[in-house]
Amino acid sequence: DIQMTQSPSTLSASVGDRVTITCRASQYLSNSLAWYQQKPGKAPKLLIFEASSLVSGVPSRFSGSGSGTEYTLIISSLQPDDAATYYCHQYKGYIESSFGQGTNVEIK
Amino acid sequence: EVQLLESGGGLVQPGGSLRLSCAASGFTFSSYSMTWVRQAPGRGLEWVSRITWTGTGTYYIDSVRGRFTISRDNSKNTLYVQMNSLRVEDTAVYYCATGRNANWDSDAFHFWGQGTMVTVSS
Repeated sequence: DIQMTQSPSTLSASVGDRVTITCRASQYLSNSLAWYQQKPGKAPKLLIFEASSLVSGVPSRFSGSGSGTEYTLIISSLQPDDAATYYCHQYKGYIESSFGQGTNVEIK
Repeated sequence: EVQLLESGGGLVQPGGSLRLSCAASGFTFSSYSMTWVRQAPGRGLEWVSRITWTGTGTYYIDSVRGRFTISRDNSKNTLYVQMNSLRVEDTAVYYCATGRNANWDSDAFHFWGQGTMVTVSS
């Protein structure tokens, strides 16, 4: 099983700040890594797939990077609408995939 | 437009059973692996089970193996999960999800349903 360690669990930042969320995997993922945004009462929404590919329609302030076992989601200029919980997701495992624990992003 | 619509959630006593359905439309259902993901109240996302597009391969998280059975009816464009011997810790919103690449075994979840709530309580 591939374990995902996501950090931080919570962060508070101001509008316009650059925000970084990290996920570390227990095995190499070959860039089979996605990032989701989830708001209360809603289904998760895919933001980034294959570590760095931005989903069509997602604002360009969101970006993903990384390789091997360490991956990062960056919000270049935090906006009020970005208040949400963010999850990384590895899908390299043929049998099963797994999620990080989530990062709750609050706006100061 | 891809749509996934879950149903079948509700309140059930510990040890009871429930069958969830996920009706799919807007894509060639029979060509896509399908997955159930759950989220306990106030908790994170948890991968639960996956079925290959042919239905011949099924996979489960350890905590539900032997109690849950995932299946699909490609003629009805519907995914199922039969949940038996339910436990309090199975209480969660259950989502069905799929990727955008046909005949892929592993893919990001581009499409999600709205979820259905399962509450296991006496």
